[in-house]
Amino acid sequence: DTGVSQNPRHKITKRGQNVTFRCDPISEHNRLYWYRQTLGQGPEFLTYFQNEAQLEKSRLLSDRFSAERPKGSFSTLEIQRTEQGDSAMYLCASSLVLAGTYEQYFGPGTRLTVT
Amino acid sequence: RKEVEQDPGPFNVPEGATVAFNCTYSNSASQSFFWYRQDCRKEPKLLMSVYSSGNEDGRFTAQLNRASQYISLLIRDSKLSDSATYLCVVNMGGNTPLVFGKGTRLSVIA
Repeated sequence: DTGVSQNPRHKITKRGQNVTFRCDPISEHNRLYWYRQTLGQGPEFLTYFQNEAQLEKSRLLSDRFSAERPKGSFSTLEIQRTEQGDSAMYLCASSLVLAGTYEQYFGPGTRLTVT
Repeated sequence: RKEVEQDPGPFNVPEGATVAFNCTYSNSASQSFFWYRQDCRKEPKLLMSVYSSGNEDGRFTAQLNRASQYISLLIRDSKLSDSATYLCVVNMGGNTPLVFGKGTRLSVIA
């Protein structure tokens, strides 16, 4: 399978704990995005990387959230001191940005439940 | 005004029907447009890209009206398997992230 993969697929944690999610993009893609989706909403942008550089962060990304893409391949998203409001599906997407094309391909997501 | 707006539905249509969804966007500088399909508790999957005035792929036709700032998706001869949420997605230009609408839910009924 050469698509975007994410691990874990599900995570249940207690409020106040830290969690880390991993995303492996499609191998030749240079951009990697993180989104959050809650029930009845479309995905909301959190942050994105071009290669290893984090180019943009949404104001949704509080200081409890941090993302890395250390070698320009896989990425991790860490949430510290989780809150119940962090419960959501965390989606990763990747793209190969060529002149004028911006299609993104999504992984299966990590569903986080904070109890 | 929200950046990307869609009628949330649900649209309940019989098999074989033709159904159309509209989507409006607020930023006139938006450059590229997409329709994604999302099944319940699954990830969004790219259905169509719209870079010019429209695109057609089998039973699916997307049209773009830049003057009125809306995109439409037409599904002909609906199948039960078309039941899903359809997300309208806009790229505001250049390096900006994609902006998603909330989605329109379609149920095709036998």
